[in-house]
Amino acid sequence: AQTVTQSQPEMSVQEAETVTLSCTYDTSESDYYLFWYKQPPSRQMILVIRQEAYKQQNATENRFSVNFQKAAKSFSLKISDSQLGDAAMYFCAYRSPQTSGSRLTFGEGTQLTVNP
Amino acid sequence: DTAVSQTPKYLVTQMGNDKSIKCEQNLGHDTMYWYKQDSKKFLKIMFSYNNKELIINETVPNRFSPKSPDKAHLNLHINSLELGDSAVYFCASSQRAWGTRGAGELFFGEGSRLTVL
Repeated sequence: AQTVTQSQPEMSVQEAETVTLSCTYDTSESDYYLFWYKQPPSRQMILVIRQEAYKQQNATENRFSVNFQKAAKSFSLKISDSQLGDAAMYFCAYRSPQTSGSRLTFGEGTQLTVNP
Repeated sequence: DTAVSQTPKYLVTQMGNDKSIKCEQNLGHDTMYWYKQDSKKFLKIMFSYNNKELIINETVPNRFSPKSPDKAHLNLHINSLELGDSAVYFCASSQRAWGTRGAGELFFGEGSRLTVL
């Protein structure tokens, strides 16, 4: 079974600074998908960014980018120019296209605080 | 237009009662899910349906019974509620169940917070 690990339960960053959230995963599959979801206090789960394992290029969405290291099974999220609205719980997630039924397996989450 | 909607958003009830949470998606997706988020914010899958067929059934007490009348709806019924059932329950949907590239992310509802007293 795949597992996803987020080793930083909490992180903080100053407004306008850059922060990197870590994620590692364990899998024997070669093809899969990785995601970062954001959960603000409103509770809504919001997709931040996605990465297909077969793509070598790191995904980027505006101020959000990832560092995908397939061999190391690492998938970190970098948030540039942090804003107060970025404060949330961030979840790393893995999805396999090969298993019967396609589920998202989540990490434990990292609570991000943005200081003004 | 809400893509994935759940009702009710808050539910407070006594131990031993039976309750249901309803979910509807208007995205045209063929797969729907129930996830449970516990007090430590950990998200764990409970069930998944593809075109009304149950395809994932994790180790969940049989007091929990999902039902999918059509591919746009997935309801969750819980019998004999226990204190440990208190959690936030998320419904989600996605375009494809498995096996194809381009299979996308899950779209989540706003969650239903269940409190058992």
